[in-house]
Amino acid sequence: ETGVTQTPRHLVMGMTNKKSLKCEQHLGHNAMYWYKQSAKKPLELMFVYSLEERVENNSVPSRFSPECPNSSHLFLHLHTLQPEDSALYLCASSQGGQSYEQYFGPGTRLTVT
Amino acid sequence: DQQVKQNSPSLSVQEGRISILNCDYTNSMFDYFLWYKKYPAEGPTFLISISSIKDKNEDGRFTVFLNKSAKHLSLHIVPSQPGDSAVYFCAASEYGGSQGNLIFGKGTKLSVKP
Repeated sequence: ETGVTQTPRHLVMGMTNKKSLKCEQHLGHNAMYWYKQSAKKPLELMFVYSLEERVENNSVPSRFSPECPNSSHLFLHLHTLQPEDSALYLCASSQGGQSYEQYFGPGTRLTVT
Repeated sequence: DQQVKQNSPSLSVQEGRISILNCDYTNSMFDYFLWYKKYPAEGPTFLISISSIKDKNEDGRFTVFLNKSAKHLSLHIVPSQPGDSAVYFCAASEYGGSQGNLIFGKGTKLSVKP
């Protein structure tokens, strides 16, 4: 595997379900990100991890819970989501520091019913 | 309020001609700008960037121009090819700002017709 991978690619879940999104980067980067892309909206940064520590949390509801066990893996745990949480969730990684260039995974298309 | 704006949701260009994608920003503290390209069912891929100390950066068929006084940047693709058809996102960041805090525009869908 190369680059940034995300699983699953598609997910349908009910509002009472608990699921997790997984991201893995094979680039040797030390910073990882979760973004949300809703229809007709810009990409919204949700969480940033640098060297496995969370450094950014953009007022994201607590029903989204990130986890970064090591610099190559990032999870987004989902529980009691709302239909308006349906979106494309993108993971990205970068070299960290002042490296602005982020490398994105293909995303997980989430539908909450 | 959006800090990075791409006011054209779509653009159609003939193959071989120039494509010009525009982006405006409001935050004068932004000092680094990036363009990403996104194909359907794929994540955005980094295309080209420019620092605020420059007004032009060129990479092959892609050139980004920055006009700081107008808070405007543009991406030129010459010549345009059908494979360039994708959604293009402009993004900006502030030096010393939060780690990795890229602010994205909504994107412009480019269609290059053969």
